[in-house]
Amino acid sequence: GQQVMQIPQYQHVQEGEDFTTYCNSSTTLSNIQWYKQRPGGHPVFLIQLVKSGEVKKQKRLTFQFGEAKKNSSLHITATQTTDVGTYFCAGLGGTSYGKLTFGQGTILTVHP
Amino acid sequence: KAGVTQTPRYLIKTRGQQVTLSCSPISGHRSVSWYQQTPGQGLQFLFEYFSETQRNKGNFPGRFSGRQFSNSRSEMNVSTLELGDSALYLCASSLPRDRPNTEAFFGQGTRLTVV
Repeated sequence: GQQVMQIPQYQHVQEGEDFTTYCNSSTTLSNIQWYKQRPGGHPVFLIQLVKSGEVKKQKRLTFQFGEAKKNSSLHITATQTTDVGTYFCAGLGGTSYGKLTFGQGTILTVHP
Repeated sequence: KAGVTQTPRYLIKTRGQQVTLSCSPISGHRSVSWYQQTPGQGLQFLFEYFSETQRNKGNFPGRFSGRQFSNSRSEMNVSTLELGDSALYLCASSLPRDRPNTEAFFGQGTRLTVV
């Protein structure tokens, strides 16, 4: 079945440093979504990428979808303590109604 | 607009018992999905319902079942609980997949502990 690998598993940064997490799917995706989960919280939707090679920005966050629609990345510029949490990518296959295949997540710690 | 509501928030059950978890989606959302989250396995898809029909199912044993009612509220049931069923169970609702935006809105989850 479809698998989504995400690296790194953990990332510790100093406030102000940049952060990147990468996702790679075993199959071509219909779209890819990114979620953030704060400690003790639930996943919250950040963005959805649909088109091959798509790049979207949200303030300090930049999301990319690969040309082959099998990989994606999230880059945060100049991290802040409010960025702390686990970032998940989640892929949606062609006929997978409602079935998001999540990566393992990257746990981001930001040291002030 | 109220978010996704899951009840109860916390549950402690004994091995062999069964449990029913409830999820009320955002008003107007007809698709409800369930996920199991554990530290070791991450977020794993259980099943998805739309208009009272299960459209997709993950790789979980038959002890895990669900249903959806005509008002889109959903329940999931786990029978013959095992210690390994201890997890955070998350429900997510979304608009139908044929709409452009298929983002999932997650509830706070039900923390199930099996002892």
